[in-house]
Amino acid sequence: DAKTTQPPSMDCAEGRAANLPCNHSTISGNEYVYWYRQIHSQGPQYIIHGLKNNETNEMASLIITEDRKSSTLILPHATLRDTAVYYCIVPRAGSYQLTFGKGTKLSVIP
Amino acid sequence: GAGVSQSPRYKVTKRGQDVTLRCDPISSHATLYWYQQALGQGPEFLTYFNYEAQPDKSGLPSDRFSAERPEGSISTLTIQRTEQRDSAMYRCASSLPGHHEQYFGPGTRLTVT
Repeated sequence: DAKTTQPPSMDCAEGRAANLPCNHSTISGNEYVYWYRQIHSQGPQYIIHGLKNNETNEMASLIITEDRKSSTLILPHATLRDTAVYYCIVPRAGSYQLTFGKGTKLSVIP
Repeated sequence: GAGVSQSPRYKVTKRGQDVTLRCDPISSHATLYWYQQALGQGPEFLTYFNYEAQPDKSGLPSDRFSAERPEGSISTLTIQRTEQRDSAMYRCASSLPGHHEQYFGPGTRLTVT
């Protein structure tokens, strides 16, 4: 998988937007950016993925820079239940495995 | 089924014993994955299946670890001669073929004493 770099931790006030950055400067042209999160001891949960264009779903928005070397996951109105470790993953094209790394521990504060 | 299920949820075993963990994936998902997660770390890939075929075993830590999916649905992960370092959460996930959108089960917490 392409190497990704994320800050180890971030805080966000409840109700505000949480913006989680990820650098993936070695990404190849046909590789997607995936975001997962893991709440406490639960299994990882898929959030969103994208290739070039910005994407939005009911959980979050994904902004990918034009050169595709970085991206930002946006939780528009963070709640306490969004406290989790967020993983940015760029799976190698043709590979089935996900490499989770250390992720960003997001703490949503009341 | 509604989601990925795993059993048992907790397993305590003595060093040297064999253990078998079970995963029941989402019924429409042809691809099934096994991951190992140590405390405070992200999951690490062990192996995966497409139906009953097992194209990639590269993540299995040693030959004590093996996995099967004989009929392309339920899978088992067996650890022979368990060691204390095998203590971890073992997570199963499933997906449609070729999709990286994986759905994870609740995991089996294995403790080797």
